[in-house]
Amino acid sequence: EVQLVESGGGLGQPGGSLRLSCAASGFTFSNYAMKWVRQTPGTGLESVSYISGSGSTEYYADSVKGRFTISRDNAKNSLYLRMNSLRVEDTAIYYCARDWNGALDHWGQGTQVTVSS
Amino acid sequence: DIQMTQSPSTLSASVGDRVTITCRASQSISSWLAWYQQKPGKAPKLLIYMASSLESGVPSRFSGSGSGTEFTLTISSLQPDDFATYYCQQYNSYLYNFGPGTKVDIK
Repeated sequence: EVQLVESGGGLGQPGGSLRLSCAASGFTFSNYAMKWVRQTPGTGLESVSYISGSGSTEYYADSVKGRFTISRDNAKNSLYLRMNSLRVEDTAIYYCARDWNGALDHWGQGTQVTVSS
Repeated sequence: DIQMTQSPSTLSASVGDRVTITCRASQSISSWLAWYQQKPGKAPKLLIYMASSLESGVPSRFSGSGSGTEFTLTISSLQPDDFATYYCQQYNSYLYNFGPGTKVDIK
């Protein structure tokens, strides 16, 4: 059974940093691209970042470019999102999702990130 | 950037109704479109990919159609478990934009 479990969310200060993790199981992790998607009541679902299966290709939404870094450790079946220079508008539920040729076929349960002083 | 719109934003329907949701892309995305269902407090669930292919395990009352810039999700006979919010998502470009969602609630 495919499972994705996020962790690392919580309260962050404006200008501060957080690191999200996503532990994957039940499939050959290195065979799949992965994405981080966030959701807020006001802005709906937003694709934040993408990483290819090998880790050689990354993409970022303009709203996080230069502040967030996606990475993966295929030996540990883990996906990460390093979030620097946090802003209040980064407050959201963050999901990791498995990318199956563009469609996101499995999602984690989400982790809440709140940016506030 | 490819922008996605959905209509209606809210839809009130009864059990047994046929329901249709429309999704439009700001430029052609061929058939690179997915539909998701989301219930409160849960992650989105993939229903349809490649505009019209049903994800494994999804009931056959769900169907998708369209190509280019206009797409539809149809629920042939609405069931109590189907009251939820539905999102379309394009994957023609790496930004993978989502539509704003359509909430299906009980009439």
